[in-house]
Amino acid sequence: QQQVKQSPQSLIVQKGGISIINCAYENTAFDYFPWYQQFPGKGPALLIAIRPDVSEKKEGRFTISFNKSAKQFSLHIMDSQPGDSATYFCAASMWAGNMLTFGGGTRLMVKP
Amino acid sequence: ETGVTQSPTHLIKTRGQQVTLRCSSQSGHNTVSWYQQALGQGPQFIFQYYREEENGRGNFPPRFSGLQFPNYSSELNVNALELDDSALYLCASSSLIDRVPSSGANVLTFGAGSRLTVL
Repeated sequence: QQQVKQSPQSLIVQKGGISIINCAYENTAFDYFPWYQQFPGKGPALLIAIRPDVSEKKEGRFTISFNKSAKQFSLHIMDSQPGDSATYFCAASMWAGNMLTFGGGTRLMVKP
Repeated sequence: ETGVTQSPTHLIKTRGQQVTLRCSSQSGHNTVSWYQQALGQGPQFIFQYYREEENGRGNFPPRFSGLQFPNYSSELNVNALELDDSALYLCASSSLIDRVPSSGANVLTFGAGSRLTVL
């Protein structure tokens, strides 16, 4: 049972462009929504996270938008750089970041 | 500051064998969890250990078992290996106080993983 659905599976963006990755969840008990970034040969690393009591959170070039009624959230990467090329995973948790349910991942390639 | 370290990095087993994977938590972390990441997929939660006891488990059969030691390091054991067990196994550590995250925004720190191939 896939409780967190992520799209697209892959994304190609030009340098300086905006990368947008979307996720939808089913379980309304989820109360913590992080995004993880994973480079080849490395474990996932927390990028940014949001709780459902806010609709947007921004950290540098990374922004999470959250729509509680639609049970959707998205990651926006502004001014995308080649160094952002990685696989991005959305996730959800009922327990403040522990016991995460991950989406299927989006492989982002930023072309110079 | 030390991160999460896992060993071995790669290993090959045959069907029916048993495997033990090891993980050292990040300094100051008292909780460890394990995830299975099949090729091209997102990590799936296996189980979590806090104070040497399992306190959460995903949809994995009992042949997946674990241990947490007093120094917060951990082992993942998989018995009767199947071909579908081939995956990257990720260990993550975090900090809980009385089962509650010690900070408002709990952060899981992942290791680089152990890649298991079952032939």
